[in-house]
Amino acid sequence: GESVGLHLPTLSVQEGDNSIINCAYSNSASDYFIWYKQESGKGPQFIIDIRSNMDKRQGQRVTVLLNKTVKHLSLQIAATQPGDSAVYFCAETDPGGSEKLVFGKGTKLTVNP
Amino acid sequence: EADIYQTPRYLVIGTGKKITLECSQTMGHDKMYWYQQDPGMELHLIHYSYGVNSTEKGDLSSESTVSRIRTEHFPLTLESARPSHTSQYLCASSVERGAGPEKLFFGSGTQLSVL
Repeated sequence: GESVGLHLPTLSVQEGDNSIINCAYSNSASDYFIWYKQESGKGPQFIIDIRSNMDKRQGQRVTVLLNKTVKHLSLQIAATQPGDSAVYFCAETDPGGSEKLVFGKGTKLTVNP
Repeated sequence: EADIYQTPRYLVIGTGKKITLECSQTMGHDKMYWYQQDPGMELHLIHYSYGVNSTEKGDLSSESTVSRIRTEHFPLTLESARPSHTSQYLCASSVERGAGPEKLFFGSGTQLSVL
């Protein structure tokens, strides 16, 4: 099966609301996770990362939560704006140890005005 | 931030043609990657390089080839394009951050359509 995946393929929110995008991973040995944002017609852009020795990490308007017990990763976006509309991917390090990233399927976030 | 450029942005060609997708980065990154991405789907690694004269195949089998003669340049070539090669091709480079995985910087991609 897939090493990294998303629970929902699409998410629609109202401008100003908080968004939560989820990701499940299957390999408990994965030690590094990244969220990428991909806007239409562009390449993915780094948002935030977290190591497995952490449960939470905050950035500007974004928070990543890691629950190693259930192998679940989430990205929270506060006060979602139209510019946040994009496809969001989680990625993990290659559990084989090569440190190459393995990407999951994306979640398309649509922010309604 | 890394500057990484891909050309062409869009390419429509006929079956059997030889094509080269260009990728250049100006930040002196040693590591470079090619990913293939179908619409709305995850990225699949097809080639990577850890430096000049280093090339490796990725996780997804690909009929393309790559070369790394200069640090800044990592072109991808298809000797004979087929409709099954229709996809978006994303180039990336990475910067070392000490221990642990790198942070990838992506180009805008080349959308390839083979008729």
